[in-house]
Amino acid sequence: GQNIDQPTEMTATEGAIVQINCTYQTSGFNGLFWYQQHAGEAPTFLSYNVLDGLEEKGRFSSFLSRSKGYSYLLLKELQMKDSASYLCAVKDSNYQLIWGAGTKLIIKP
Amino acid sequence: IAGITQAPTSQILAAGRRMTLRCTQDMRHNAMYWYRQDLGLGLRLIHYSNTAGTTGKGEVPDGYSVSRANTDDFPLTLASAVPSQTSVYFCASSDSQATGELFFGEGSRLTVL
Repeated sequence: GQNIDQPTEMTATEGAIVQINCTYQTSGFNGLFWYQQHAGEAPTFLSYNVLDGLEEKGRFSSFLSRSKGYSYLLLKELQMKDSASYLCAVKDSNYQLIWGAGTKLIIKP
Repeated sequence: IAGITQAPTSQILAAGRRMTLRCTQDMRHNAMYWYRQDLGLGLRLIHYSNTAGTTGKGEVPDGYSVSRANTDDFPLTLASAVPSQTSVYFCASSDSQATGELFFGEGSRLTVL
């Protein structure tokens, strides 16, 4: 079966750095996405990785290792507004998105 | 504001009733999707449409139907609602099924009693 694993919840301090991991087992791979979802709101796109390596976009970076079936989202200089759920999703061989259950990130002052 | 509009935002429905969730996008995206989101579970695909006139079944299609008469509209119908269909429903679109990021509507919270 297809599976996306990510931690259920993480806590970090304002101004710090946090890394949210995602491991996947899917039938084929056509890219990995990270989305942010604030409570009661719709998911919004953060990043897309299709090749191995690090993609940096401001305070957020996303890393992919296809051979290990592994990705992480790195958030730097954490702000209170970063408190949200972070969803990892992989496009399989049929270009269908397989979603993880999401990681709830709690930022403390 | 350009994007995806869903209606209603919230609805309480008696079991056995028919319900249609509406979804309209103005970005001229080819692909559209309906997901449900339940606590502790990832987004699960109900139905999708790669282009106007075509639809396909996702991971959890039973009890739901869709149509795609034109590019902009993609309604989701529950023919006879059951309590297990209580969920938050998100409509999404992308300009390419193969590579495009998804743009989501604000969601429709449905409670079936």
